[in-house]
Amino acid sequence: GESVGLHLPTLSVQEGDNSIINCAYSNSASDYFIWYKQESGKGPQFIIDIRSNMDKRQGQRVTVLLNKTVKHLSLQIAATQPGDSAVYFCAENKDGGSQGNLIFGKGTKLSVKP
Amino acid sequence: KAGVTQTPRYLIKTRGQQVTLSCSPISGHRSVSWYQQTPGQGLQFLFEYFSETQRNKGNFPGRFSGRQFSNSRSEMNVSTLELGDSALYLCASSLEGRGGQWDEQFFGPGTRLTVL
Repeated sequence: GESVGLHLPTLSVQEGDNSIINCAYSNSASDYFIWYKQESGKGPQFIIDIRSNMDKRQGQRVTVLLNKTVKHLSLQIAATQPGDSAVYFCAENKDGGSQGNLIFGKGTKLSVKP
Repeated sequence: KAGVTQTPRYLIKTRGQQVTLSCSPISGHRSVSWYQQTPGQGLQFLFEYFSETQRNKGNFPGRFSGRQFSNSRSEMNVSTLELGDSALYLCASSLEGRGGQWDEQFFGPGTRLTVL
């Protein structure tokens, strides 16, 4: 079925390095793509989103890239900090008129080494 | 502004029982969604409510149901609990939800349900 998946289940980086988390999606009709961060014992926290008519969007220390040709989404975290250690999920929303129907990927666990 | 709150935070039930989980959205938010999170299946959409109406439903059996009240608070119910229903149940709220524009979803901390 249609789903959002992730290439790597775990990622370990050195503090201060840049991190890149990847995601593949299969539904060309999805309108929004979102990255969430989930720390242990907490609910997912919104990081950044990008609409399907965009290729790139930047936030504070984060950049999301969308490549519709190969149906690929990535999250880049600049100068990764220990506080960035968490599980990162990509998600897609097929219907902008329905907020809740998000399809999530399996998640990538990011570990930051001091 | 207070975040999304969910009660209870932890719950232990036995097979065959039923359970009701509660979610209070951020003040002013009208859309409430529920998700189930398990290690095997990840985060899966259960249903979404807007203005007391179920607007969307995921692929879960009829044992899973929900409702939304006039103050936007929402409850979900699981009847005839099975071992596989053990999961973290997450509630998320968003401001509006119409007009083709996606609004950020704010998640609560979840309710950890264990079925024995």
